[in-house]
Amino acid sequence: DTGVSQNPRHKITKRGQNVTFRCDPISEHNRLYWYRQTLGQGPEFLTYFQNEAQLEKSRLLSDRFSAERPKGSFSTLEIQRTEQGDSAMYLCASSLGRGPTLSPETQYFGPGTRLLVL
Amino acid sequence: AQKVTQAQTEISVVEKEDVTLDCVYETRDTTYYLFWYKQPPSGELVFLIRRNSFDEQNEISGRYSWNFQKSTSSFNFTITASQVVDSAVYFCALSEALLDSSYKLIFGSGTRLLVRP
Repeated sequence: DTGVSQNPRHKITKRGQNVTFRCDPISEHNRLYWYRQTLGQGPEFLTYFQNEAQLEKSRLLSDRFSAERPKGSFSTLEIQRTEQGDSAMYLCASSLGRGPTLSPETQYFGPGTRLLVL
Repeated sequence: AQKVTQAQTEISVVEKEDVTLDCVYETRDTTYYLFWYKQPPSGELVFLIRRNSFDEQNEISGRYSWNFQKSTSSFNFTITASQVVDSAVYFCALSEALLDSSYKLIFGSGTRLLVRP
């Protein structure tokens, strides 16, 4: 069994370019999350998918950001017209949700994609 | 608002010393969950423990132990007989419910632990 994987691990781009990151969750995990982590800070929530449905988006997710999970398996996060402020580590997490419950399942994180916008 | 505070930015200890990482949280929820994650230099967040708000029993797992005190809104983490491999950034996190019974994590800013040989 493999954990959450993310590609690429590192990305350097010039301001104004578009970038796309991929996340492959743990097999059969129906819930998928994206977080962003800037230097010296903890991760911040960006968005959440239950299967293929995007159910929650943070105010941090500007119009330039779009995320998809077309078949309820892998997910992509695209940033259009990148800005230097987008430089950060983008983390993906997945979990196995069992429906309404008082006991939330654990989120397991991938290694992240480190983005540097020049 | 939900908030997690890790006041210790960086801690340096010598191997075999005990070290406690502090975590204080604020929440308006009556039911919530607290987590600790470890982030080694490789960058991946590694899950360590989850604790729910109804269970204030302390927990021990090998050299790790956790002290949850609801009265002071704290969830502290102690490493006994620290080792060089414990060097990492440690994050405390609080659950915040989403509409469909899932949740997002609210993280503190982390404590960098350096264990020197």
